Amino acid sequence: NAGVTQTPKFQVLKTGQSMTLQCAQDMNHEYMSWYRQDPGMGLRLIHYSVGAGITDQGEVPNGYNVSRSTTEDFPLRLLSAAPSQTSVYFCASSYSGRGHAPLHFGNGTRLTVT
Amino acid sequence: AQTVTQSQPEMSVQEAETVTLSCTYDTSENNYYLFWYKQPPSRQMILVIRQEAYKQQNATENRFSVNFQKAAKSFSLKISDSQLGDTAMYFCAFGSGGSNYKLTFGKGTLLTVNP
Repeated sequence: NAGVTQTPKFQVLKTGQSMTLQCAQDMNHEYMSWYRQDPGMGLRLIHYSVGAGITDQGEVPNGYNVSRSTTEDFPLRLLSAAPSQTSVYFCASSYSGRGHAPLHFGNGTRLTVT
Repeated sequence: AQTVTQSQPEMSVQEAETVTLSCTYDTSENNYYLFWYKQPPSRQMILVIRQEAYKQQNATENRFSVNFQKAAKSFSLKISDSQLGDTAMYFCAFGSGGSNYKLTFGKGTLLTVNP
């Protein structure tokens, strides 16, 4: 059981480049979220999904796109990377959206935009 | 919008002693969850303990317990018999609408356990 898998682990981009951060889970979880973690800022919610075909914005959605075509995958797209998007990105999933259910985090992707 | 405040950027404690990490939050909701997450140097996010707002009894998980004061909007974490492996960043998080996926995090407290 792989849990939540994020790829790549590290990435360096130049300003203006595009890329997709991958997130996949093999637990048949309906709920998935993307967070970014900046030094001194804690984690902030970017986008989330409550099931295939359903996504919504979180606290800091600007500059990011998401889609949820399958239950397993929830990719995060940066269309034109900016230095302000340098951060560590975490994907998380859960079988239930209620607080009693455990939230499974991936190991993160460290992104640097130069 | 909710806010979560952790007023202690760093704390240290001697091994085997007890330490309390503070967290306050601001919300107009009545239905919510509160969480403490631990992030060791490995970067993995690990759930330590959770509390449902409707439950008056404070949650306990082995050496970890919370002091949940709903009226004061306070949610502190007490770690008893501190161990070297407790060294980590600790984040307090608020789950809007009782959710576990729409979380608002505090900025974290870096806890160092000294031998």
